[in-house]
Amino acid sequence: GAVVSQHPSRVICKSGTSVKIECRSLDFQATTMFWYRQFPKQSLMLMATSNEGSKATYEQGVEKDKFLINHASLTLSTLTVTSAHPEDSSFYICSAATGGYEQYFGPGTRLTVT
Amino acid sequence: QKEVEQDPGPLSVPEGAIVSLNCTYSNSAFQYFMWYRQYSRKGPELLMYTYSSGNKEDGRFTAQVDKSSKYISLFIRDSQPSDSATYLCATVPQGGSEKLVFGKGTKLTVNP
Repeated sequence: GAVVSQHPSRVICKSGTSVKIECRSLDFQATTMFWYRQFPKQSLMLMATSNEGSKATYEQGVEKDKFLINHASLTLSTLTVTSAHPEDSSFYICSAATGGYEQYFGPGTRLTVT
Repeated sequence: QKEVEQDPGPLSVPEGAIVSLNCTYSNSAFQYFMWYRQYSRKGPELLMYTYSSGNKEDGRFTAQVDKSSKYISLFIRDSQPSDSATYLCATVPQGGSEKLVFGKGTKLTVNP
């Protein structure tokens, strides 16, 4: 149980385009989903927290107009990187929580912006 | 001072060794403690979680929390090459869907 999927697992896009990443909880309903970014050999950096039906809460320094988060249902959250630039290239990971302290992580999406 | 400190390693041990991974934290409000394992280019996987001080065992893994010294540990017995990964400690101040505070992670390699 507690499986979280992400799609796509890997994406390459051109600078200036937008990319959408999906995060789904497959066998449970997630009241809260989190989006992280991870640079090589670094720990996870929380970008934003989203609750179903509410606006996401962004961490300090994260541009909400650039990283659009939509938590449309209790099993789906999406992260859209708008007008992507090479510096947005990174490993993006989502996690889902059911109201307890445990977070279940997706497998991650590797974004490369050329 | 960072909220959670973790030696990034890398740590390299022979197969069968006992591995000790450690973190310290600064905020006494932290109550729940977790260990995640992350293989290269994958998302973190929850290994163990503890709430109170003391030990919790699951197979070859033992998580230990000492709240008096704000020190958390993960021990791996009879380490295997498949244990090679980055291990991240994490904590939350209290129950509920709150932000996890992660350590930087320790990269472990178990050599056959």
